[in-house]
Amino acid sequence: DIQMTQSPSSLPASLGDRVTITCRASQDIGNYLRWFQQKPGKSPRLMIYGATNLAAGVPSRFSGSRSGSDYSLTINSLESEDMAIYYCLQHNEYPLTFGSGTKLEIK
Amino acid sequence: QVQLKETGPDLVQLTQTLSITCTVSGFSLTTYNVHWVRQPPGKGLEWMGAMWNGGGTDYNSAFKSRLSISRDTSKSQVFLKMNSLQTDDTAKYFCARQGFAYWGQGTLVTVSS
Repeated sequence: DIQMTQSPSSLPASLGDRVTITCRASQDIGNYLRWFQQKPGKSPRLMIYGATNLAAGVPSRFSGSRSGSDYSLTINSLESEDMAIYYCLQHNEYPLTFGSGTKLEIK
Repeated sequence: QVQLKETGPDLVQLTQTLSITCTVSGFSLTTYNVHWVRQPPGKGLEWMGAMWNGGGTDYNSAFKSRLSISRDTSKSQVFLKMNSLQTDDTAKYFCARQGFAYWGQGTLVTVSS
């Protein structure tokens, strides 16, 4: 199975900060990488697909990038509504595998 | 609009079988795949398996032979069945449409001894 190593597990940040979350894939997954935001008690929300493409309705302060086997989600100018847990998902190969999650919280 | 809704028991006894139904609307099961994902309380997401639009299935081997996914296209329903439940199967179970842009609200199942 492909392992998705996500870091950090916790990320304290201040409003207005720029933050980056990273997932490293244990095998080549191309651009078959998605990012999700999950708030307490809610279903995951798709934020990024194809590693770099913004999903419908997602604010432009979110962006995705790739460098080799490292995939990053960056949020520019953090807003209070961005505080949530973020997960990556590889869908290049079955079984699909998620990263372990990053909890973004107010410093 | 696209909607998915999971329905199932709140409580299942240890070693018994879990059955959850995902009822979809706004799209056809013969056009889109449907995935099952679960999340234990306070933990991360785990892909369980999928029903393909052509009628086939795929399963996460972590569930070995415990898991079965099926569908009734006439009712726009996808079914998850998992047997031999243990306490660590306590989780919220989600169904999601192909692409993961659409999810159900999830159903929390507690396995009780």
